[in-house]
Amino acid sequence: EPEVTQTPSHQVTQMGQEVILRCVPISNHLYFYWYRQILGQKVEFLVSFYNNEISEKSEIFDDQFSVERPDGSNFTLKIRSTKLEDSAMYFCASRRTGPGELFFGEGSRLTVL
Amino acid sequence: AQKVTQAQTEISVVEKEDVTLDCVYETRDTTYYLFWYKQPPSGELVFLIRRNSFDEQNEISGRYSWNFQKSTSSFNFTITASQVVDSAVYFCALEGSSNTGKLIFGQGTTLQVKP
Repeated sequence: EPEVTQTPSHQVTQMGQEVILRCVPISNHLYFYWYRQILGQKVEFLVSFYNNEISEKSEIFDDQFSVERPDGSNFTLKIRSTKLEDSAMYFCASRRTGPGELFFGEGSRLTVL
Repeated sequence: AQKVTQAQTEISVVEKEDVTLDCVYETRDTTYYLFWYKQPPSGELVFLIRRNSFDEQNEISGRYSWNFQKSTSSFNFTITASQVVDSAVYFCALEGSSNTGKLIFGQGTTLQVKP
């Protein structure tokens, strides 16, 4: 069964460092998303991406964050200068159509020291 | 504003018991979508169901069933004959009519099924 894959599964970084989280969405999907979950809390929307541009972003998604689809398969989330409060599980998600089932990857755990 | 409330923080049952997880939502949209996800201890989010606001038929999938009641803005999830493998955090989520993929999640209900 096709699935969304994410790398790395866990990354530890120092505060102020840049981090790139990578995602390979399901191959025939056209809509891509990033969500995050701070430990023990609910899942929060960060950004949606379609046709090579951001469709919507939350207030969490400030200038420190950016997304990119550098080729036909990868979808990345970059955090330019990490803060302690960026420590969380980051989930990539994708779906084939605008309204439709939304499938998540297994997550990338980011720990900022 | 859109909101999802899962009032039950934790539920503990013994294997083979039936259990219902509650979900109440708020939205002003006339078209919206409701989701349930399972998050096992390994951490991934597993899609369980998506339901649109015009389809109030209850759904059954094996031991899982969902009861959508628009009149009470609820979308409850029942597991029949629970098993230890059902132990997880379960999230209810709402997507509004904009279809931008912005899901509003509830706080989640931790279900522990004891042998």
